[in-house]
Amino acid sequence: GQQLNQSPQSMFIQEGEDVSMNCTSSSIFNTWLWYKQDPGEGPVLLIALYKAGELTSNGRLTAQFGITRKDSFLNISASIPSDVGIYFCAGHGSGTYKYIFGTGTRLKVLA
Amino acid sequence: GAVVSQHPSRVICKSGTSVKIECRSLDFQATTMFWYRQFPKQSLMLMATSNEGSKATYEQGVEKDKFLINHASLTLSTLTVTSAHPEDSSFYICSAPRGGGGAANEQFFGPGTRLTVL
Repeated sequence: GQQLNQSPQSMFIQEGEDVSMNCTSSSIFNTWLWYKQDPGEGPVLLIALYKAGELTSNGRLTAQFGITRKDSFLNISASIPSDVGIYFCAGHGSGTYKYIFGTGTRLKVLA
Repeated sequence: GAVVSQHPSRVICKSGTSVKIECRSLDFQATTMFWYRQFPKQSLMLMATSNEGSKATYEQGVEKDKFLINHASLTLSTLTVTSAHPEDSSFYICSAPRGGGGAANEQFFGPGTRLTVL
């Protein structure tokens, strides 16, 4: 099935550093969702974006809906060890009932 | 956030048997639920959309006779893996959109079911 491109695929960072990841699509989306998945568990919704240009925060997490509506960004500030996991973006466009998921960004935080 | 449960969390079965996985939305009603499959270190792949009161919609390449879906009520969808084989071993996750069943709403995921077929 179709997937969104997420970048980077994986990253190692030092505790306290800021993290940035993005998701790009070849088609326009109306909604972007960002999830975090821990090993052996289902994804947990972090942030939902509904409007182009929208910038939304959830604690140390900030996500933006790209102006072109073809991309979205997630930033994590002052990372901590529990930020370890896989982050997925998901986009929804018009004319479909489905969400398309990104390929995931695997984050590892070094204490 | 909304709560979606799955049962069982883990199941080990012999090849040739059938396994039923339940997905429940605990604090909201969902006319639509989604079933995903996830292989190790990979993203979620949509298998089918479960529709309350009508037939499920399957993605291309997913065998409807192999993966039976029943949306029994506004809070329950079941996925039955029939005649399971080792290649069916995977992590199965359901999700439900809150807010009337429209896919544009936020999707909440269950905790997943790890299926191992011996």
